[in-house]
Amino acid sequence: EADIYQTPRYLVIGTGKKITLECSQTMGHDKMYWYQQDPGMELHLIHYSYGVNSTEKGDLSSESTVSRIRTEHFPLTLESARPSHTSQYLCASSDRLAGYEQYFGPGTRLTVT
Amino acid sequence: AQSVTQPDIHITVSEGASLELRCNYSYGATPYLFWYVQSPGQGLQLLLKYFSGDTLVQGIKGFEAEFKRSQSSFNLRKPSVHWSDAAEYFCAVGEKGGGNKLTFGTGTQLKVEL
Repeated sequence: EADIYQTPRYLVIGTGKKITLECSQTMGHDKMYWYQQDPGMELHLIHYSYGVNSTEKGDLSSESTVSRIRTEHFPLTLESARPSHTSQYLCASSDRLAGYEQYFGPGTRLTVT
Repeated sequence: AQSVTQPDIHITVSEGASLELRCNYSYGATPYLFWYVQSPGQGLQLLLKYFSGDTLVQGIKGFEAEFKRSQSSFNLRKPSVHWSDAAEYFCAVGEKGGGNKLTFGTGTQLKVEL
């Protein structure tokens, strides 16, 4: 079944730790996105990728980094987590052949203590 | 730059009542428009989308939306709300070409009273 997965779903971690949020999709989509969403707020695009070896920063500045070595995989890394990074992170993918809509994963709720 | 306004932060309706959620957009050309729904702790699910053609679009779960170019609006409607419709609803406008980026509104939290 074609889908988009995010792990972990929930993560509580201490300040200064390095973390990687995983995102994988099985739909073969060329475009992938990372959004940050605070409770009750809109989604802010922080990173996107047009394809393998392509990454761009989004509209909201973020200290995180991303990589796109394989089509299906788009991990997000925080080298040194801080309490200000506490948020929900949503991954999405899209493709012209899919009609431009974005398909979302279930999200990762990150809490930095 | 494109933008989306959802003027209602919270809406409460009784089960069985009709629903209309408002969405206004700003975009230089004919936009791609979307409505997504988000249940607590979950990702976003697409309800419906407008690209071109018929301005009244049907979606899943009995929702529909009407594109009105003259009013720059794309309001979401449902004739009879069910308790399971309680969720957060986001309107989004899409950028044609390039990265297919979406700009989201701030969302409307729907509460359904039994």
